[in-house]
Amino acid sequence: AQSVTQLGSHVSVSEGALVLLRCNYSSSVPPYLFWYVQYPNQGLQLLLKYTSAATLVKGINGFEAEFKKSETSFHLTKPSAHMSDAAEYFCAVSDFTGGGNKLTFGTGTQLKVEL
Amino acid sequence: KAGVTQTPRYLIKTRGQQVTLSCSPISGHRSVSWYQQTPGQGLQFLFEYFSETQRNKGNFPGRFSGRQFSNSRSEMNVSTLELGDSALYLCASSLTGGRVNEQFFGPGTRLTVL
Repeated sequence: AQSVTQLGSHVSVSEGALVLLRCNYSSSVPPYLFWYVQYPNQGLQLLLKYTSAATLVKGINGFEAEFKKSETSFHLTKPSAHMSDAAEYFCAVSDFTGGGNKLTFGTGTQLKVEL
Repeated sequence: KAGVTQTPRYLIKTRGQQVTLSCSPISGHRSVSWYQQTPGQGLQFLFEYFSETQRNKGNFPGRFSGRQFSNSRSEMNVSTLELGDSALYLCASSLTGGRVNEQFFGPGTRLTVL
């Protein structure tokens, strides 16, 4: 079974500082990986996805992630944090075993942005 | 294009009752998936429907069931509610449910079981 692990359930950064949210995956086949963001009382919004094309993936709101097979990682970064980035972020892997698609999510990282 | 809609947004039930949640996917999307989100267990996959057929199922008891209609709208049902069923239930739609197809999520239904 495929899985993802998010290191750090809470991350706090200053406004304008680099954001780095960590995600490591475990997969027996080339993985398809996703980052989602969830704001309070809302559903999940896709930030970006990796589907075996370019290893550096650019997403919305200035976020990007780099797929590193040697490190089995797919960390999410943003050069300069904004107050509006405060939310919970989920890394997910697409599992197509057994037919049909399902996403297996990490435990999430709550990002706090301070002035 | 309208997004994924879920009704109702909030629901309060008591133990032993049953509940039905509804999801309307994005127009043209044929795959609908359901997820349960709780503070303790995080986001967990319930099941996925494609063309009115359940194609994948997560590790949940038989009290959790679902169906999909010919217009791709989906419902999930939970019978004999337990306190632990209190959660945010999220519905997601995608074009065909293939691995590369991104899933678009609705705002969720917040279920509270008393």
